[in-house]
Amino acid sequence: QSALTQPPSASGSPGQSVTISCTGTSRDVGGYNYVSWYQQHPGKAPKLVIFEVSKRPSGAPDRFSGSKSGNTASLTVSGLQAEDEADYYCCSYAGSDTYVFGTGTKVTVL
Amino acid sequence: EVQLVESGGALVQPGGSLRLSCATSGFTFTTAWMSWVRQAPGKGLEWVGRVKANIHGGTTDYAAPVKGRFTISRDDSKNTVYLHMNSLKIEDTAVYFCSWLYNNWFDPWGQGTLVTVSS
Repeated sequence: QSALTQPPSASGSPGQSVTISCTGTSRDVGGYNYVSWYQQHPGKAPKLVIFEVSKRPSGAPDRFSGSKSGNTASLTVSGLQAEDEADYYCCSYAGSDTYVFGTGTKVTVL
Repeated sequence: EVQLVESGGALVQPGGSLRLSCATSGFTFTTAWMSWVRQAPGKGLEWVGRVKANIHGGTTDYAAPVKGRFTISRDDSKNTVYLHMNSLKIEDTAVYFCSWLYNNWFDPWGQGTLVTVSS
């Protein structure tokens, strides 16, 4: 099972939006609506920000939104804030009771 | 408050074994599916495996790189999940996180425990 493909980096100025893509196959991203996104600050545990493609858990700011088209999922962070600077990982159910994470994207707030 | 606390990370030689523990509190552990995810130094997240709740059969599934070497078990009387690692390789060096696998997403996560495989 190969990792889902994410761009290594993305950036934006405070208040702007940044969108991160997550590309898989029909056997993972495209086959199920079980894409989730995680934010990870350096030295910290990952934190869930989106589940089931576009749903936000309680506590996640509404600046985070998710979508999916075909084999590619996307995470958009609107109104960028300094605390949004972190690594972001997508994850998808991949069938046969397995899961696959993305390669990760480092978001920089300029 | 839901809490997960991993322990047991250590320096171990290639070919060695290690058992990690993840003590949980704040939720009904007996019905929870639990998972382990690892992160090699400076690298991304990698799913390791999952154990279902015993009421769902308690079965386990693993990622290909660890299948046959790693085993996940659970002790519902202690609200604890374990990761038994055998035949450790240098490439198993990573921070190992446990997480509640809730309907196909991982939330929350523990703080992680570092396993270093080196001679």
